[in-house]
Amino acid sequence: AQTVTQSQPEMSVQEAETVTLSCTYDTSENNYYLFWYKQPPSRQMILVIRQEAYKQQNATENRFSVNFQKAAKSFSLKISDSQLGDTAMYFCAFMKLGDSNYQLIWGAGTKLIIKP
Amino acid sequence: DAGVIQSPRHEVTEMGQEVTLRCKPISGHDYLFWYRQTMMRGLELLIYFNNNVPIDDSGMPEDRFSAKMPNASFSTLKIQPSEPRDSAVYFCASSFDRAYGYTFGSGTRLTVV
Repeated sequence: AQTVTQSQPEMSVQEAETVTLSCTYDTSENNYYLFWYKQPPSRQMILVIRQEAYKQQNATENRFSVNFQKAAKSFSLKISDSQLGDTAMYFCAFMKLGDSNYQLIWGAGTKLIIKP
Repeated sequence: DAGVIQSPRHEVTEMGQEVTLRCKPISGHDYLFWYRQTMMRGLELLIYFNNNVPIDDSGMPEDRFSAKMPNASFSTLKIQPSEPRDSAVYFCASSFDRAYGYTFGSGTRLTVV
């Protein structure tokens, strides 16, 4: 069974700093997707970035980028030039390919606080 | 598209009452998911549908919970009778391609007193 681990329950940084959130996962699958979701105080779950395991190039979306290390089963999220609006819970999630299963396996989340 | 629409946004009910949560997925999304989120247990998948057919309901906590999807644009999650331990935020999400993950609704915060 797949598992996702986020080892940092809470982090805080100053506005404009760069912060990296860690995520590791355990799977015997070779093909899968990885996601980072953000849940701000408004509670809406928002997809931040996604990565296909068969792509070696790390995904980027504006100030958000990932460091995907397939062999190490690591999928960290880097937020550059952090803004107050980045304050949220961040969840890492895994979905395997190859069958009709659409289930996401979730980490426990990291609470990120951006201080002014 | 207006996204995934859930109603109500908040629900407060007395123990023993029936509660119905509603969801309208994004048009064209073949998959629909119901999640429950609590501080203690995090995000829990309750049930999901593909083309209106329930695929996996192993996460439904007990017989008091039921979910239906009568058509591609509407789903309900019903709790009867409700109990205080059912208090949580309930999310509906939909998806058309697993490569893009899910799109979530704003959730319903349920409080059973």
